Amino acid sequence: DTAVSQTPKYLVTQMGNDKSIKCEQNLGHDTMYWYKQDSKKFLKIMFSYNNKELIINETVPNRFSPKSPDKAHLNLHINSLELGDSAVYFCASSPRRRFRGTEAFFGQGTRLTVV
Amino acid sequence: KQEVTQIPAALSVPEGENLVLNCSFTDSAIYNLQWFRQDPGKGLTSLLLIQSSQREQTSGRLNASLDKSSGRSTLYIAASQPGDSATYLCAVIVEAGTALIFGKGTTLSVSS
Repeated sequence: DTAVSQTPKYLVTQMGNDKSIKCEQNLGHDTMYWYKQDSKKFLKIMFSYNNKELIINETVPNRFSPKSPDKAHLNLHINSLELGDSAVYFCASSPRRRFRGTEAFFGQGTRLTVV
Repeated sequence: KQEVTQIPAALSVPEGENLVLNCSFTDSAIYNLQWFRQDPGKGLTSLLLIQSSQREQTSGRLNASLDKSSGRSTLYIAASQPGDSATYLCAVIVEAGTALIFGKGTTLSVSS
């Protein structure tokens, strides 16, 4: 059973389109994240949700909007896609933040290509 | 602001060698440190998690150490194999509820 799963794995779309990426975790974790890995392979946090509540919102264009319908799901919607949005987007989850040693688990990533 | 640096950026070794990957962080007040492996075109696989109160963790041929006071962690790989070829990422959490801050990784190539 896949612990953190993302769909789709690949996404090719034209500039200006709106697209969504979905993420689901079956680990029972309370906290979920979206990370972006750029062309230089550097990973950076975008958003974090704890029990459906947004707790981290880094400096990300407001064309990016996360949504958490329940604590097992965290989706990422992107409006008016731009060439610079091309990257690999990773979803991750971790146990309740109060516990020390909160190991994070990652999905397989969604490779977004904007043409 | 916490920054994570990994040295070297790339490393090539023959099969069977023992090797050390280095990770340093600028603020010693971390919550925990996690080592990951990333294969080309794949996601991140967690290798080892070291809590801030711990000095090291071991899993099979891997041993990770943590020296908070000096802001350093090392990942030791014993008897390297071609299957160990991947990018190894180090990441820290500075406090509960925050996200991982990653280094840029060390790309390891083990030749047979």
